[in-house]
Amino acid sequence: TQLLEQSPQFLSIQEGENLTVYCNSSSVFSSLQWYRQEPGEGPVLLVTVVTGGEVKKLKRLTFQFGDARKDSSLHITAAQPGDTGLYLCAGPLNNNAGNMLTFGGGTRLMVKP
Amino acid sequence: SQTIHQWPATLVQPVGSPLSLECTVEGTSNPNLYWYRQAAGRGLQLLFYSVGIGQISSEVPQNLSASRPQDRQFILSSKKLLLSDSGFYLCAWSVLFVTGELFFGEGSRLTVL
Repeated sequence: TQLLEQSPQFLSIQEGENLTVYCNSSSVFSSLQWYRQEPGEGPVLLVTVVTGGEVKKLKRLTFQFGDARKDSSLHITAAQPGDTGLYLCAGPLNNNAGNMLTFGGGTRLMVKP
Repeated sequence: SQTIHQWPATLVQPVGSPLSLECTVEGTSNPNLYWYRQAAGRGLQLLFYSVGIGQISSEVPQNLSASRPQDRQFILSSKKLLLSDSGFYLCAWSVLFVTGELFFGEGSRLTVL
């Protein structure tokens, strides 16, 4: 059982459609991060949300952190084929060694032209 | 600016052979270093992390080991590979005791036959 559950696991849509992917947990996180990974490459950080209820916008991407800091969502408006990839959410598990991230299982998005 | 590189990008090895994956970081000092494994385009599993030279912590008991001979060098090794070691291996770094955002290398695809 993963600490961060992402849904849906797979999503295939047409160019121009809107979509939302979710990242949920029963635990409270001090912050949550979203990464996008393209095939054969390492994940790239998109955004970090740190305040409950926070909303951040990155062009057509809108990220929201839940009020209780247990969940987050990513909304994409007018999806484009370039948005295709694996979207991963991650949150820090603070321990004696500093900050380590735990990752969700990811949402694989395919945007068809 | 900081950069991270890992190599080789692709590796095909027979069962029972040794393994060495290398990762170097430039442009920062005393980073946290991590090795993750990713199966079939899903979430990331933390294998090892290091907060300093010679300091290695293992998250998952397995056939692999890690070493950090220099501040910005992290090596993943195995003496005898198993079929189950196949996967996509990612090296990453983060700044100690900050929000924990990870910066990933390009990844190494290992196939054990």
